[in-house]
Amino acid sequence: DGGITQSPKYLFRKEGQNVTLSCEQNLNHDAMYWYRQDPGQGLRLIYYSQIVNDFQKGDIAEGYSVSREKKESFPLTVTSAQKNPTAFYLCASSIVDGAGGYQETQYFGPGTRLLVL
Amino acid sequence: QKEVEQNSGPLSVPEGAIASLNCTYSDRGSQSFFWYRQYSGKSPELIMFIYSNGDKEDGRFTAQLNKASQYVSLLIRDSQPSDSATYLCAAPAGNKLTFGGGTRVLVKP
Repeated sequence: DGGITQSPKYLFRKEGQNVTLSCEQNLNHDAMYWYRQDPGQGLRLIYYSQIVNDFQKGDIAEGYSVSREKKESFPLTVTSAQKNPTAFYLCASSIVDGAGGYQETQYFGPGTRLLVL
Repeated sequence: QKEVEQNSGPLSVPEGAIASLNCTYSDRGSQSFFWYRQYSGKSPELIMFIYSNGDKEDGRFTAQLNKASQYVSLLIRDSQPSDSATYLCAAPAGNKLTFGGGTRVLVKP
C-alpha cells in the first residue's frame, strides 16, 4: 500500500531535550511538508522541501530543524529552543507539478502528538 | 488579514439537511483550492479540489468557486452524523498551501 507513515504516534519530551519525529512516504512524491496544529486551530507550516537536499522555512520554523537526505524521508527535530512544543504534528507530501498559482493535492500522514513532561 | 478565512462554527445542522461552509482567500493569483475533512484526533483527508469557477460535484459534496469574489464554498447534502468533523479550506500561497482555521460541523440525528 502506498502512503505516508509517521512515528511515533505519541512522543514525550523532557525539558531541554531535542526530539525527532519521523516521516516516510512511498508515494514517489517530490515535495514533503511539516505542519503544526494546536487544539481548535488550523495547520501552520513549519518547513517544506520540494527536492532532496533542499528545504525552506515555513511560517513557524523557529525552534525546529529538518533534513531531506532521501526522497522518501523528511524527519523533523523539535529542539530545546522550541519553548511550547505541545501540539499535533502532521507530515504531508505531494507531487511538484504546479505552476502559476496552482498547487497539487497534499496527502497527510496519521500525525504525531507531542507532549511535554 | 489572514490569507484564508473560515467561520470556526460550530455549524449545527439536522440530519438530512444541507450544510453550507464558506471560505474566503486573499491571494487573487490562487488557482487551486482544496477542502479537507478532519475528524477529532485524526489527520486531514481530502474531500474535494476545485480549479475552475463554478460548481464541482462529488457524491453528496459540492464545491463552489467564485474567483471574482474570492470565495470557495462546500455544500454537504443529506448530512449524516458521520459528517460531523472539522472542515479545512486550503488555497495556494506561492509554492505552498495556506489553511484556514477550519469550520466545525455538528450533524444532529
